Amino acid sequence: KAGVTQTPRYLIKTRGQQVTLSCSPISGHRSVSWYQQTPGQGLQFLFEYFSETQRNKGNFPGRFSGRQFSNSRSEMNVSTLELGDSALYLCASSLAGTGLYEQYFGPGTRLTVT
Amino acid sequence: AQKVTQAQTEISVVEKEDVTLDCVYETRDTTYYLFWYKQPPSGELVFLIRRNSFDEQNEISGRYSWNFQKSTSSFNFTITASQVVDSAVYFCALSEPENRDDKIIFGKGTRLHILP
Repeated sequence: KAGVTQTPRYLIKTRGQQVTLSCSPISGHRSVSWYQQTPGQGLQFLFEYFSETQRNKGNFPGRFSGRQFSNSRSEMNVSTLELGDSALYLCASSLAGTGLYEQYFGPGTRLTVT
Repeated sequence: AQKVTQAQTEISVVEKEDVTLDCVYETRDTTYYLFWYKQPPSGELVFLIRRNSFDEQNEISGRYSWNFQKSTSSFNFTITASQVVDSAVYFCALSEPENRDDKIIFGKGTRLHILP
């Protein structure tokens, strides 16, 4: 079974720009979650999508948004980038729910905002 | 509110030594799940174990073992006869599936260095 894939792996953007990150879950997994990982804050939950619906959301500003397509692929968008958005963004897929099932993580997208 | 504390920020041990990573959690729910994940230098988190709140049996998987104690709200992870490949950041996590705000909360992680 192919693992979780994320594209791109690396991104450099400037402040004020927007960015879209993509995640393809493991085949058959319907739940996709996104996390932001920084040295200072650790792993922070952004949101979870299940069957194209956002099911949970973390404490992030509205500049962070996402969506999920019918094939379970998910995208995450960050608008009006700030320096503090520099982080490793991880996507995880699970069978049906973030809390109930183990998650399988992708390699992440490292975003640098200059 | 959910909370996961991994008090050990960084640990270094010499290869073949045993090492225990501590995890203390806070929750008001009676039904919850605890997880451990490993993040090697490559960056990809790897699932290690999931344990539900009703199963307090300790678990052993090869050189890895987990000690779940509800009385002290702890879910500690021990690596026996450590190897250099065990060097990674280890995260403990908690979820409360019956909570309307169901999401998984990660601890800050413990960076483990296994010295050859």
